[in-house]
Amino acid sequence: AQSVTQPDIHITVSEGASLELRCNYSYGATPYLFWYVQSPGQGLQLLLKYFSGDTLVQGIKGFEAEFKRSQSSFNLRKPSVHWSDAAEYFCAVGGTSYGKLTFGQGTILTVHP
Amino acid sequence: NAGVTQTPKFRILKIGQSMTLQCTQDMNHNYMYWYRQDPGMGLKLIYYSVGAGITDKGEVPNGYNVSRSTTEDFPLRLELAAPSQTSVYFCASRTDRSYEQYFGPGTRLTVT
Repeated sequence: AQSVTQPDIHITVSEGASLELRCNYSYGATPYLFWYVQSPGQGLQLLLKYFSGDTLVQGIKGFEAEFKRSQSSFNLRKPSVHWSDAAEYFCAVGGTSYGKLTFGQGTILTVHP
Repeated sequence: NAGVTQTPKFRILKIGQSMTLQCTQDMNHNYMYWYRQDPGMGLKLIYYSVGAGITDKGEVPNGYNVSRSTTEDFPLRLELAAPSQTSVYFCASRTDRSYEQYFGPGTRLTVT
């Protein structure tokens, strides 16, 4: 069965600092991996995705993520955080089984000025 | 192009009442999904559909029903509302070729 773990429930960073959100997954084959962001009271917006190829993927809003098969990880990074990045971030894994996604528990990001 | 729309945005139900959460997409996507989101739990898949007339259970289907009579609509039915169904419900859809899902804005449901 597929699963996703986001070890950090809540992360606080200062504006301008770098950010890394952790994601570990369990999946029997090559996974499809996603990061979504959810602002309060809003739906989920896709930040980036990994299907195959280059293991470093670029997304919107200056985010990037690196797929590391040996570590079963897909960590999200941003070199300089902006106050508008405060939100909840979800990592998700999916595959060919009707494209069903399994989500992690989410990481809430707080940005201090 | 409105994407995925959901109605209502908010609803309060009494225990035992029933209701239908509406979901419509205008992107001609065959695949549609219903999730529920509870604090600290991420999103859990309730039901999904791979096309009109075809639906199947997800991870947490108990207490819910779905139908898919058209490509555009994928309503979620709660027959006998229970407090455990208090949650935020998201509908999503995707194309046949890509696994990324597009989400609606959600429906916040409270059962008291």
